[in-house]
Parts: sequence; C-alpha cells; structure tokens
Amino acid sequence: DSGVTQTPKHLITATGQRVTLRCSPRSGDLSVYWYQQSLDQGLQFLIQYYNGEERAKGNILERFSAQQFPDLHSELNLSSLELGDSALYFCASSVPGGGTGELFFGEGSRLTVL
Amino acid sequence: EDQVTQSPEALRLQEGESSSLNCSYTVSGLRGLFWYRQDPGKGPEFLFTLYSAGEEKEKERLKATLTKKESFLHITAPKPEDSATYLCAVQAPPIFGNEKLTFGTGTRLTIIP
Repeated sequence: DSGVTQTPKHLITATGQRVTLRCSPRSGDLSVYWYQQSLDQGLQFLIQYYNGEERAKGNILERFSAQQFPDLHSELNLSSLELGDSALYFCASSVPGGGTGELFFGEGSRLTVL
Repeated sequence: EDQVTQSPEALRLQEGESSSLNCSYTVSGLRGLFWYRQDPGKGPEFLFTLYSAGEEKEKERLKATLTKKESFLHITAPKPEDSATYLCAVQAPPIFGNEKLTFGTGTRLTIIP
C-alpha cells in the first residue's frame, strides 16, 4: 500500500460526459502528479501541483483540468469525454519538496468511455 | 524533448534464467534515472534511482546500472514473483519547478516456473 488513495477505481461513462477523479496523497506529501496510462502510449504526464499551486503542465488537453485543495487532496476533471480518453489515470505524490523522482502511485482510476 | 526507449517490449524467461532489460534515453542534462515495477492493475512501484554514469544499485535479484546513454536492469536467477512490467523514467533538471518524470513504455517480463 503506497498510501496514495484514488477514487473511483472504475468508472464507465458515455461520450460527451464529465467526470471527476479524486486523489488523496500520502500524509505529509505536498506534491501531487497526474499521469494517464493507455495501452499504446505508456505513462503520460498530465500535471503537477505543489502545495496547492500548479507547478508543471504536460500534454494535458484543454478539456481536462485539475486542482489541489488546502487539505492537499487533488481532483482531475475530464469533460466532453471522447472514446480516446479511455485509460488508467494515476495520481502520485512525493516527499515534501519533491524532486527526488521517487513517486508514490495510487492504484489508479480506470475510465471507460462508451 | 526528453525521450525514453525500452527494449525488449516483452521478455519470457524460465525461472533461474538471468537476463537484462535495456533503457536508452535522451534528455537535456540528466538529473536522475528511475526504475519502477508495475504489476497488472496496480500503480508503479519505485525501485531505484541512478544519478550518474557508472552508478549501480542492487535490490534482491535486481541490479540497475547507468551509462551516459542507457541503463540496464539486470535480473539474476529470477523467480515467478518477479513477473511484472518494468518501467524506466528520466528526470531533467527542473525548469521553473517542473519536476515531471518521462517514462518509457516498459518491458513486460514473464518468469515461467
């Protein structure tokens, strides 16, 4: 158990819909990262937050947004969903200050868009 | 742009048959190279960090090595429980606090009893 909690574990929805994925980092970790994993592309970095502020942005679509709240949990919002958004979405956290590359991953949220 | 290429994509070994996984990378100034293990339906689990060429790290049957262009994950006398996907990732020096890891697509390792 990494200590990172993600909900929901599985989500099935239709094209055009909007979903919210939730992540609680390990106790004391200030950085939260979101990654998307699909069969053909591996783990793709989406976005990083550090203590409530956006720190880095990867190839995140404009239809996607995220935020980190004062209690350090984070949410990833996916809207106007398309079939190609079906993937595993992972949240990870790292020790205060980050930068070590040692990320603690949750078990992921599997999104299926029909 | 940072790039990580892992080979082979899949590897099947008999129990006890040693082998190596390769990770070649292109990055603007390597801050660190990382190996993760991912079991089916689970999130990646951190294994090693390597910072400079010539560095080696060991953990049980696994040994990771690093050169200026690639890293190897050597598996000695593997057991069925070593079956997993092994992911390699690199981190460039942070720019404006960007600390993202760039991952390869992984090597799916299967150890046959």
